[in-house]
Amino acid sequence: DTGVSQNPRHKITKRGQNVTFRCDPISEHNRLYWYRQTLGQGPEFLTYFQNEAQLEKSRLLSDRFSAERPKGSFSTLEIQRTEQGDSAMYLCASSLAGQGGDTQYFGPGTRLTVL
Amino acid sequence: AQSVTQPDIHITVSEGASLELRCNYSYGATPYLFWYVQSPGQGLQLLLKYFSGDTLVQGIKGFEAEFKRSQSSFNLRKPSVHWSDAAEYFCAVGARSGGYNKLIFGAGTRLAVHP
Repeated sequence: DTGVSQNPRHKITKRGQNVTFRCDPISEHNRLYWYRQTLGQGPEFLTYFQNEAQLEKSRLLSDRFSAERPKGSFSTLEIQRTEQGDSAMYLCASSLAGQGGDTQYFGPGTRLTVL
Repeated sequence: AQSVTQPDIHITVSEGASLELRCNYSYGATPYLFWYVQSPGQGLQLLLKYFSGDTLVQGIKGFEAEFKRSQSSFNLRKPSVHWSDAAEYFCAVGARSGGYNKLIFGAGTRLAVHP
């Protein structure tokens, strides 16, 4: 069990550019979550996948954001036309359905800075 | 609406002193409750969780938490704090929907430990 991994760990981009983050969940976990954490706040839910199906999206996820989980393994989160307000830590978590009340295990996060 | 309140933004304790971090939640049904810890620039590590049964739960690193339904609280405690416990602590409630948990976090409590 290698834990949840996320890449890159840090991303600095200019406003208007597109960025993509990757999350690799714990190998046997079929559920995957994305959260966003701004400075001084707790994480906020963005979206949820069960296997490859995206089953819920928060209203925080504007149409500039898209997430995928092809084949139910790794997931990507893309932000198009980045804005300074997108600067945050993006956290990925995974869990196994039916185990331990859906306990989520988090990755180290990707810190995005939009200049 | 579901919510989590952590009334203390910052707490400072001396090494070896006892610790209690407060957490109050608002949730219509029996809650799934979690405490996570976050070191600077890192992801979230699960300390402990409550689903049902014994209202006093033990976690890693010597932490424990007590679920009190009448007070809608899930306070985190440690009898003797170590310098390495300095971090940010987040309480979360699992807002169950369709069988999965969408975590709702408090704003966090930052713990500083004096030698």
